[in-house]
Amino acid sequence: DAGVIQSPRHEVTEMGQEVTLRCKPISGHNSLFWYRQTMMRGLELLIYFNNNVPIDDSGMPEDRFSAKMPNASFSTLKIQPSEPRDSAVYFCASSFRGSNQPQHFGDGTRLSIL
Amino acid sequence: KQEVTQIPAALSVPEGENLVLNCSFTDSAIYNLQWFRQDPGKGLTSLLLIQSSQREQTSGRLNASLDKSSGRSTLYIAASQPGDSATYLCAVTETSGSRLTFGEGTQLTVNP
Repeated sequence: DAGVIQSPRHEVTEMGQEVTLRCKPISGHNSLFWYRQTMMRGLELLIYFNNNVPIDDSGMPEDRFSAKMPNASFSTLKIQPSEPRDSAVYFCASSFRGSNQPQHFGDGTRLSIL
Repeated sequence: KQEVTQIPAALSVPEGENLVLNCSFTDSAIYNLQWFRQDPGKGLTSLLLIQSSQREQTSGRLNASLDKSSGRSTLYIAASQPGDSATYLCAVTETSGSRLTFGEGTQLTVNP
């Protein structure tokens, strides 16, 4: 079975550049989550969608971050402009809302902003 | 605001030992609790999910318990192996399809 697929796996870019992270959830899942993991703050939710609709974006750090889910099989997280403090591992996860099933995580995107 | 705490932060044991990892949460109104494993440079792998109405779940050498009223969960690993070395994370969700709130994790090393 294909799990949650994230791309790219690694991204290194210079400060001020636009960064786009991509996620393909597990087919049939109707909830999608973006998390960020850092040494200082651990794993934190940025935003999540139910049925492609953003439900809670209170974890999005600031206006430089935006996320979209144009359809049930694709989501993007965009940072513009990027800053060194955005360096982290970004995870996408999906689950089936309405069931007591676990969230499934992708392998993450390791982002380094120079 | 829900807060999740894991103790200890790090644990080193010899192979074959049984061990317990602890997790506590501040708001007992949870929907479910999950235990995850994370290997270095990898994503999270779900190990066990306990629904709020359940007391425990078992999978192989792993057993997770939940005491919702006291805000505690434990992950018991029997007969530990070097391959169990990883970071173990506890997380709770408060409603179906909503966010996971994570603890800081316990970094486990099992020495051969």
